[in-house]
Amino acid sequence: NAGVTQTPKFQVLKTGQSMTLQCAQDMNHNSMYWYRQDPGMGLRLIYYSASEGTTDKGEVPNGYNVSRLNKREFSLRLESAAPSQTSVYFCASSEYWGGSNEKLFFGSGTQLSVL
Amino acid sequence: DAKTTQPPSMDCAEGRAANLPCNHSTISGNEYVYWYRQIHSQGPQYIIHGLKNNETNEMASLIITEDRKSSTLILPHATLRDTAVYYCIVPLANSKLTFGKGITLSVRP
Repeated sequence: NAGVTQTPKFQVLKTGQSMTLQCAQDMNHNSMYWYRQDPGMGLRLIYYSASEGTTDKGEVPNGYNVSRLNKREFSLRLESAAPSQTSVYFCASSEYWGGSNEKLFFGSGTQLSVL
Repeated sequence: DAKTTQPPSMDCAEGRAANLPCNHSTISGNEYVYWYRQIHSQGPQYIIHGLKNNETNEMASLIITEDRKSSTLILPHATLRDTAVYYCIVPLANSKLTFGKGITLSVRP
């Protein structure tokens, strides 16, 4: 029972490089999310996908793009990485979006450093 | 999200109960109180949630005051593995969970 799986776990990029963070869930959840967490801070929502085929901006979307590839997979792309994007990235899923009675399940995170 | 206020940190002795407070004085009648925790470097983990009745599961108990303006998460027998950041969150319906800085619980031997 894997839950939410993120790859890679660690990544180092040079400024201007691009990369895609992968996320997959095996709980048949409809909604998926990408958060970032900077040192000493709470989590901030980057993008979310309420259901397959839809994506929406969160609190800090600039510099990122997302793709909801299918119900299981939700990827986050950095087209031109910047040092300000150095962070830990977490993917999460929930059965439905936005309900006040919904709980999120998180992956183990991707630690990204942009030099 | 309704604003929540948590002290920045607290500690407790291993084997004792840890009582983590949270204020949410602007909570509305249909808003739930959620608790998550984040052990160092890991993704947040759901603990428990409730609306107005006290709740208990295998991880913790949640006590919500009658006026719903505050709540307490209780870890009945804290262990060293419970050392983590604990987030109290009150999400609006059709809104995304917003994680603040939480409270850092340190369990000492």
